[in-house]
Parts: sequence; structure tokens; C-alpha cells
Amino acid sequence: GIQVEQSPPDLILQEGANSTLRCNFSDSVNNLQWFHQNPWGQLINLFYIPSGTKQNGRLSATTVATERYSLLYISSSQTTDSGVYFCAVEHQGEDKLVFGAGTILRVKS
Amino acid sequence: EAGVAQSPRYKIIEKRQSVAFWCNPISGHATLYWYQQILGQGPKLLIQFQNNGVVDDSQLPKDRFSAERLKGVDSTLKIQPAKLEDSAVYLCASSLVGGLADTQYFGPGTRLTVL
Repeated sequence: GIQVEQSPPDLILQEGANSTLRCNFSDSVNNLQWFHQNPWGQLINLFYIPSGTKQNGRLSATTVATERYSLLYISSSQTTDSGVYFCAVEHQGEDKLVFGAGTILRVKS
Repeated sequence: EAGVAQSPRYKIIEKRQSVAFWCNPISGHATLYWYQQILGQGPKLLIQFQNNGVVDDSQLPKDRFSAERLKGVDSTLKIQPAKLEDSAVYLCASSLVGGLADTQYFGPGTRLTVL
């Protein structure tokens, strides 16, 4: 099956700092989504982004499908950004999301 | 709009016992998903329903896990008998129609500990 690798596995930031999270995938995909899981376990969809760039407030994401990677940018981080960020992809020909192992983000005040 | 509801939130059982989880999706959502999330990993799809039919159950350990979605609304996931490696958070999600761009909305999960 398709492999999804996220980096870094763990990240600690001071409040106000910027960060970039990366997602690499091993084959062509129809669908790529970014999720945030807060410290209480609630998983929230951030972006549906199979290609191109999208922005939502302090968050933006870029997917370069031909090079099989996606980036999630967090600017001016806040303590509420803490949690785990997951990239999930839908392999061409399959109808399910495959999640990466996630990046654990801790934002300190 | 009410979100995806799951119960119980926590469950502790001994190995070889049985357990069942319940999920009520967002009203009107045709597609329902059950995921297993082991500590330190991303969620893994166990089963996907479209209305009351199964779309994908390729990763469901069918010798011990079963799931149903009667009447195409709420769903139950059962484990019988449980093993130590079943300790995980079980997440339910729903989406309006399913498909490539459809947003999945997740419930709070049920944390299962098997002793």
C-alpha cells in the first residue's frame, strides 16, 4: 500500500514562531487532507488539498503532487495550535484515507 | 448542528471479554467510518458504510471484530474476544456523501484498554 511519511516527528516552538510540517507520499494520490488532533483527542479537518495552495488564517498548505509531497505552514503559532498534525492521502484506485504517523507540535508560552 | 456522538468515552476490560461501541453520525450523513488509532500512530480505517451497506472492510479483523449500521443511521462496533493489542482509541467519523473531497467529521472517540 501507499506509504505516508511525516516530518519532523516532534516539534517544540515558542509562541509566535513559525513552522513548516512536511508530508511525503510514495505514489500518486487523488486526495490529500491535513488534520489537527487536539490534546483531548478531537480530530479536525484543516485542508483538502490534492494540489496547489490554500490558506486559512494563520495556516496554509501547499501540495506538489508531481513531486509527492505536501507542506503545512503555521505562522505566529499559539498555544492552542498544540496537538498532533496528520497528513492523510487517498491512493489512486482506492477509496479510503491512509494517515501518516503525525507530527507532535508543542507551543510554549 | 450536533457533531458525531460516541459512547462510551472510556472502557477497560480484560482480555477475552467482549465490548461494543456506539456511534451516532451527523444527521443526514450517508457515509460512516470506524477507525482504530493505536497510541503514537495515525488512525487506520477499519470499516466504511454507505447508508447501511459496507463499502470497505478490508482492514477489519473479521475473526473478532464486527460492525453494523442498521437503518443507515447509527452504528455499533463489537470486539469479541478482545486481545491486548486491541487497546486503542476507536474513532467514528461521518461525511455527507463520501468521496474524494467530502469532509469527514470525527467524534471524540472511545478509549479502550484491554488488561
